[in-house]
Order: sequence, then C-alpha cells, then structure tokens
Amino acid sequence: AQSVTQPDIHITVSEGASLELRCNYSYGATPYLFWYVQSPGQGLQLLLKYFSGDTLVQGIKGFEAEFKRSQSSFNLRKPSVHWSDAAEYFCAVASGGGNKLTFGTGTQLKVEL
Amino acid sequence: DAGITQSPRHKVTETGTPVTLRCHQTENHRYMYWYRQDPGHGLRLIHYSYGVKDTDKGEVSDGYSVSRSKTEDFLLTLESATSSQTSVYFCAISESTGVHEQYFGPGTRLTVT
Repeated sequence: AQSVTQPDIHITVSEGASLELRCNYSYGATPYLFWYVQSPGQGLQLLLKYFSGDTLVQGIKGFEAEFKRSQSSFNLRKPSVHWSDAAEYFCAVASGGGNKLTFGTGTQLKVEL
Repeated sequence: DAGITQSPRHKVTETGTPVTLRCHQTENHRYMYWYRQDPGHGLRLIHYSYGVKDTDKGEVSDGYSVSRSKTEDFLLTLESATSSQTSVYFCAISESTGVHEQYFGPGTRLTVT
C-alpha cells in the first residue's frame, strides 16, 4: 500500500525567507504526486501536480516542487514566503488508476513578520 | 473554483442518531469522494463513487454508508453517530479518465456529543 510522510508537523519561517516542505512517498509504481494547501476553515486547493516528464513542476502562488525518484521525495519550495502563505500543506500520492489519494499528515506553516 | 457545495456546513448531533451529509456538484464529474480530516491524520478516504450507483470503500469506511442516485449528488450517512465520528468531512470530485486532480468542497464540521 502506498503511504506519504511529511516529517515536519510545524515549520516557522520569516516573511521573505525561502521555504522547503518535505514529502516522502512509498509506492511501487510510477507515482502521481500532488501538493494541496488549506487555509484555516477552508477546503483544500491544489498547488501543483506531477504526473510525468519534467521533474521540476511549477504551481500557483509561486510554488514549485521537485520529484526525485532516487530519494522517493517530492519537496515543495518557494523562494520568498509571504505572510499570506501561512496555512497547512498536504502532500498526496494517487493510486488505483489515479482515483484514490493517500495524504500525508500535513505541515503547518507559520510566517513571522 | 469547482462547483462543489456541502450541506450542512456545521452540525451538532447526539450519539446514536443518524446523520446524512450531502455533497452536490455542478461539474458533471464522474468521481466523487468523501474524506474525514482529523488532527495528526491528514485526510482519510471514507468512500468514493465512480458513477451513479457505483461506490466502493475507502480506508476508514466502518460506520459509514454512501449513496449516489444522481451524478451531481453524493450522500454520506452515519447510521448511528458515535463520538469518534466527530470530524471535519470533505467531499471531492475528479474527472472521468486517467489521473486527474481532485477538487474539494468547503467541508462540514460534525460534532457528536
């Protein structure tokens, strides 16, 4: 069975600093990977996805992620964090023909002004 | 934003009572999903549907049932609510074929007292 690990439960960064959120997955076949963001009291919004091809994918709000098969990782990055980026971030892997997602437990991002 | 609504948005109920949550979509997507979100667990799949009257179990299906009589509606029923079912419930939808991202509704906060 597939699984996703987000080793950092909480991360605090200063506004303007760079950000990297870690995600490791376990899946036997080629993974389909996603990053979602959840603002307080809201549903989840897709930031970016990796299906195949270029291992560096660009998403919305200035985020990018890099797929590294050798490390089973799909880390999310942003060069300069804005206070509005404070939220919870979830990594997910798709299986079952792509119609079932397994989520990590999330990383709560706090941005200090 | 994908046209997904959930009702009710908030509900408080007593242990042992039946509860039905509704998810309604206007996107004509084939797949619909119910997740629950709990601290420390991320999102976990309860049930999903791959067409009208076609449903299957997810990771945490015990105590829940679902029905889909129309493409646009997916109902989640707790036959006899328990305190362990206090959670935030999210509905999601995705398109028909291949691997597609899921779009999430705003969530329903359910409290079982």
